[in-house]
Amino acid sequence: EAGVAQSPRYKIIEKRQSVAFWCNPISGHATLYWYQQILGQGPKLLIQFQNNGVVDDSQLPKDRFSAERLKGVDSTLKIQPAKLEDSAVYLCASSLPGWPYNEQFFGPGTRLTVL
Amino acid sequence: SQQGEEDPQALSIQEGENATMNCSYKTSINNLQWYRQNSGRGLVHLILIRSNEREKHSGRLRVTLDTSKKSSSLLITASRAADTASYFCATDAKRAGNMLTFGGGTRLMVKP
Repeated sequence: EAGVAQSPRYKIIEKRQSVAFWCNPISGHATLYWYQQILGQGPKLLIQFQNNGVVDDSQLPKDRFSAERLKGVDSTLKIQPAKLEDSAVYLCASSLPGWPYNEQFFGPGTRLTVL
Repeated sequence: SQQGEEDPQALSIQEGENATMNCSYKTSINNLQWYRQNSGRGLVHLILIRSNEREKHSGRLRVTLDTSKKSSSLLITASRAADTASYFCATDAKRAGNMLTFGGGTRLMVKP
């Protein structure tokens, strides 16, 4: 079974530039999550989708971050404009619907460096 | 803010020794999960323990949960160099959505 796919794996940009990350969840997983993991810390949830609807985006900095999941499969996370403090690994995860006991499957992440 | 906090932040042991990591959290939970992250990789689910369970085993892993103290521990027995990784606890509070809050992690190094 294919895992969660993410691209690109690495991205280096200048501050104030824009960047987009892509995620393809495991087939059949209706729930998709984006996390931000700053070096040395645990992942922090940015947004959760159930199919193509947003379940929670309370920790998403909406003035610069946006995410969409058109058609309820792939998802894109965008940062515009980027700040130095956005340097982190952005992890995508997916799970089957069926709260509250489902484990989340993580992709390899995209490492973003903002200069 | 992070719900769970791991202790210690870093742990270095010799191969064959046991490793114990602790996690404390703040609010009532439905379940607690432990994940492992190898350097430069995504997280891998290790084990889930429900709020009505006290202990769970999976291979060389043993997890305990004390809801009265809002704490959990992960024990890795007979550690191997391949166990070198960061270990995170994650909790989901008593609300809908399967949303997880992760702790800061314990960085484990197992020396051959």
